[in-house]
Order: sequence, then structure tokens, then C-alpha cells
Amino acid sequence: DSGVTQTPKHLITATGQRVTLRCSPRSGDLSVYWYQQSLDQGLQFLIHYYNGEERAKGNILERFSAQQFPDLHSELNLSSLELGDSALYFCASRRYGTSTDTQYFGPGTRLTVL
Amino acid sequence: ELKVEQNPLFLSMQEGKNYTIYCNYSTTSDRLYWYRQDPGKSLESLFVLLSNGAVKQEGRLMASLDTKARLSTLHITAAVHDLSATYFCAVDIDGGATNKLIFGTGTLLAVQP
Repeated sequence: DSGVTQTPKHLITATGQRVTLRCSPRSGDLSVYWYQQSLDQGLQFLIHYYNGEERAKGNILERFSAQQFPDLHSELNLSSLELGDSALYFCASRRYGTSTDTQYFGPGTRLTVL
Repeated sequence: ELKVEQNPLFLSMQEGKNYTIYCNYSTTSDRLYWYRQDPGKSLESLFVLLSNGAVKQEGRLMASLDTKARLSTLHITAAVHDLSATYFCAVDIDGGATNKLIFGTGTLLAVQP
């Protein structure tokens, strides 16, 4: 158990809908990262937040947005869903400046768009 | 365009054998990470390599980093079935506080008894 939690574990929805994925980082971690994992695209970095502020963007579609709240949990919002958005979405957290200096991944949310 | 390539993509090996997984990347970076993923599960951090020449070992796995060659290796010694998983390398392309990681394609390792 990495200490990172994600809800829900599974999500099934229809095309055109909007969903919200939630992530709680490890206690004390200020950074949250979101990733998408699919068979055709592999594991792709989407976005990074640090202490409530967006710090880096990757291959995140305009239909997707994220935020990090004052309690440091983060939400990834996916709208106008398409079949191709079906994937496993991971969040990870990191405590900058430690000797381990790695990202700890949550269990993921499996999104299925029908 | 940044590329992080792993080879082989699939590796079937017998228990007790040794093998190496290679991770090549196309940009300057001195920070590289190795992760393990079991089927349907999350990613587990294995090694953090933060400088040229870094070598880390844990059990039957040893990782190294050559930043000049832009190459990292993950060496498996005397493989056992429990090592069967997908292994990813990830390159930090920003460094510092951002730690933006670009993942390799992954290597699916199957250790046969």
C-alpha cells in the first residue's frame, strides 16, 4: 500500500458524459501527478500540481482538467467522453527533496466509456 | 520528440537465468526511475537513479545509469517466478521540483519454472 488513495476504483459511463476522479496523496506530500495508461498510448503524464498550483502539463486534452484543493487532494475532470478515453488513470504523489525522491502511485481508476 | 525506449518489449526466461533490460532515452537527463507493475495493479517504485554512474541493487535486481550514453539497465540475476511483471523505466525531463516523468514502453517479463 503506497498510501495514495483513489476513488472510484471502477467507473463505467457513456460517451458524451462527464466524470470526476479523486486522489488523496500520501500524508505530507505536496505534489500530485496524474497519468493515463492505455494499451495503445502506454503510460502518459497528464498534469502535475504542487501545493495547489499547476506546475507542469503533459499530453492532457482540453476536455480534461484538474485541480488540487487546500487539503491537497486532487480531482481530474474528464468531459465529453469518447470511447478512446477508456483507460486506467493513476495519480501519484511525491515529497520533494527527500532521499527517496520517487513518485508513489495510487491503485488507479479504471474508466470504461461505452 | 523525446523517446524512451525499452528492449526487449517481452522477455520470457527460465528460472535461474540472468538477463538485462535496456532503457534508452533521447534527451539529457541525470534522473531515472524503475517501476514494477503486476497485472491489473498499480506501479511500485523499484529504484531511483539520480546521477551518472549510479548503481542500485535490491535482491535479484540491479539498476544502473549511464547519462553520457543515455542508457539505463535493469539486470536480473537468477530469476524466480515472483519477478514476473511489467517493468518500466521513466526519465525525469525537468528535474528539481517538477519531476515530470516520461515512461518507457515497458518490458513484460515472464519467468518460467
